[in-house]
Amino acid sequence: AQSVAQPEDQVNVAEGNPLTVKCTYSVSGNPYLFWYVQYPNRGLQFLLKYITGDNLVKGSYGFEAEFNKSQTSFHLKKPSALVSDSALYFCAVRGEGSSASKIIFGSGTRLSIRP
Amino acid sequence: NAGVTQTPKFRVLKTGQSMTLLCAQDMNHEYMYWYRQDPGMGLRLIHYSVGEGTTAKGEVPDGYNVSRLKKQNFLLGLESAAPSQTSVYFCASSFLTSDTQYFGPGTRLTVL
Repeated sequence: AQSVAQPEDQVNVAEGNPLTVKCTYSVSGNPYLFWYVQYPNRGLQFLLKYITGDNLVKGSYGFEAEFNKSQTSFHLKKPSALVSDSALYFCAVRGEGSSASKIIFGSGTRLSIRP
Repeated sequence: NAGVTQTPKFRVLKTGQSMTLLCAQDMNHEYMYWYRQDPGMGLRLIHYSVGEGTTAKGEVPDGYNVSRLKKQNFLLGLESAAPSQTSVYFCASSFLTSDTQYFGPGTRLTVL
């Protein structure tokens, strides 16, 4: 069955440093992958997605993600972190077969950027 | 263009009471979803709909019912609320499953 894993509950980074939020996935076919961000007391907001094409996907707020098929990973990255990037980040994958109408979310990673 | 709206924003129920959460979208999206968010568990899919008049079960459907009588509305019902249903509920919609999901602001439900 398709799944997505975020191995880190929390990531702490100093402002100005690069950040990486990790995500690995498991699907049998070609994956449709997403990153969403959730700010306190808000719904999720779309950041970026990978469906096909270039392995480096650029998204909102200066974020990008690298699709790596051999490592089944889709890590979220940003060259220089801002305090305002502090939020909860979710990786997601579209289901397959009879589950193709569903998006499966990871458990989330809390990103904390210290000044 | 309001996007996805949810009513109510907060609610406190007693065990055994019933209620309906309303989700509305004005983007003409075919797909609509109800999720619950609990600490450390991410988002779990309760029910979803692939179009007007259709509904399907998600990952955690027990204790909930849904209806999609109009394309723009997706209702989530709790017939007999239980403390285990204390959670934050999010509605989302999308045009296709490969598209962005747009989320509502959430409903915080407490069942005493």
